[in-house]
Amino acid sequence: QVQLQQWGAGLLKPSETLSLTCAVYGGSFSGYYWSWIRQPPGKGLEWIGEINHSGSTNYNPSLKSRVTISVDTSKNQFSLKLSSVTAADTAVYYCARGRNVVVPAAMIWFDPWGQGTLVTVSS
Amino acid sequence: QSALTQPPSASGSPGQSVTISCTGTSSDVGGYNYVSWYQQHPGKAPKLMIYEVSKRPSGVPDRFSGSKSGNTASLTVSGLQAEDEADYYCSSYAGSPVFGGGTKLTVL
Repeated sequence: QVQLQQWGAGLLKPSETLSLTCAVYGGSFSGYYWSWIRQPPGKGLEWIGEINHSGSTNYNPSLKSRVTISVDTSKNQFSLKLSSVTAADTAVYYCARGRNVVVPAAMIWFDPWGQGTLVTVSS
Repeated sequence: QSALTQPPSASGSPGQSVTISCTGTSSDVGGYNYVSWYQQHPGKAPKLMIYEVSKRPSGVPDRFSGSKSGNTASLTVSGLQAEDEADYYCSSYAGSPVFGGGTKLTVL
């Protein structure tokens, strides 16, 4: 059974860089893309981006200029960095397993999910 | 504004059926048979309930079913139970994954 555990700083000031890490336990790490998804308080879900074990990434066009997702295959971990944060980036950030690496990009669903990390941006 | 349109709320009494819609375009919902649905209880992470329009992951009750017609996907919950009260989100692909705005399901 695959489990995802995430951690990172929960309080940032405007212009700082958000940094979160997600560790994957169980199952195949190399066989999937791994995603970050966020949810502002009281609002819906927004996909941020994905990475596979070889470091191939895809990002949401609306966030692409500020997002970097990286992978550490030796630890079965992947990380998110979001630069120049503002109050609009305040959200619960989730990591999740996405599509199999051999299937088309459209063939995507997210399961399982990490527990979520609330990141608040405030001066 | 979300890429996919869902009604903000839906409700039903225990034992009844309720259907939640998810409307997109021919570039997302209508273009791919890869619609998924997620259940989210307050303070919890979303849980996959339906994938590839109508498939249920292991462990999801068969009271949950999915379908699609044209640019609109639907999630039906039959035999409503108190624990089904939650937010539900649909998702599809539009060059990148997109989500609906969510529907709050209330069990009366």
